[in-house]
Amino acid sequence: DAGVIQSPRHEVTEMGQEVTLRCKPISGHDYLFWYRQTMMRGLELLIYFNNNVPIDDSGMPEDRFSAKMPNASFSTLKIQPSEPRDSAVYFCASSFRGGSREKLFFGSGTQLSVL
Amino acid sequence: DQQVKQNSPSLSVQEGRISILNCDYTNSMFDYFLWYKKYPAEGPTFLISISSIKDKNEDGRFTVFLNKSAKHLSLHIVPSQPGDSAVYFCAASARRGNEKLTFGTGTRLTIIP
Repeated sequence: DAGVIQSPRHEVTEMGQEVTLRCKPISGHDYLFWYRQTMMRGLELLIYFNNNVPIDDSGMPEDRFSAKMPNASFSTLKIQPSEPRDSAVYFCASSFRGGSREKLFFGSGTQLSVL
Repeated sequence: DQQVKQNSPSLSVQEGRISILNCDYTNSMFDYFLWYKKYPAEGPTFLISISSIKDKNEDGRFTVFLNKSAKHLSLHIVPSQPGDSAVYFCAASARRGNEKLTFGTGTRLTIIP
């Protein structure tokens, strides 16, 4: 299996622009998570889906952030408009209920820089 | 409010010696704990876990200890090897069926040859 695939690997954009991050989870996994890594807060959970349905979005910073999962093999995280404080590494992860409890499989992340 | 805390941002250990990474938590509902390891430019990967019904779990060179009364867990690596140099994240979850993991801020471990 190819693992969790994220794109792009790096994104540099200017303040005010729209940014879309993409994720393809491992086939057969029914949970998908979006995390953000910063030095100050470590890995923060932004939102997670079960069977394509958002379950908990309490970690989404503000209305500028939105996430969708139109089908079992694709999810997007959108920031509009982007701000310099959004600069971080964004990780997507997936898991399945029948597996080891809470064992997540992470993608390689998207390094976002907002200038 | 950081529910999972790793108070040491970095740690350096001589090759062959023991590495001890610490983690504290505040939420008494947490009953399952995990350690993840992260190399640069890669996503975190699962390392070892422990349920609250145990106080120790061992996997090769890696052992995790859980002290529920102190709300503290630690990861021991013996002996430490250069390939162990990475960032280690502690994570916790509350009750089975809640797939949400809460992570700490990470500890960067450097093994000195």
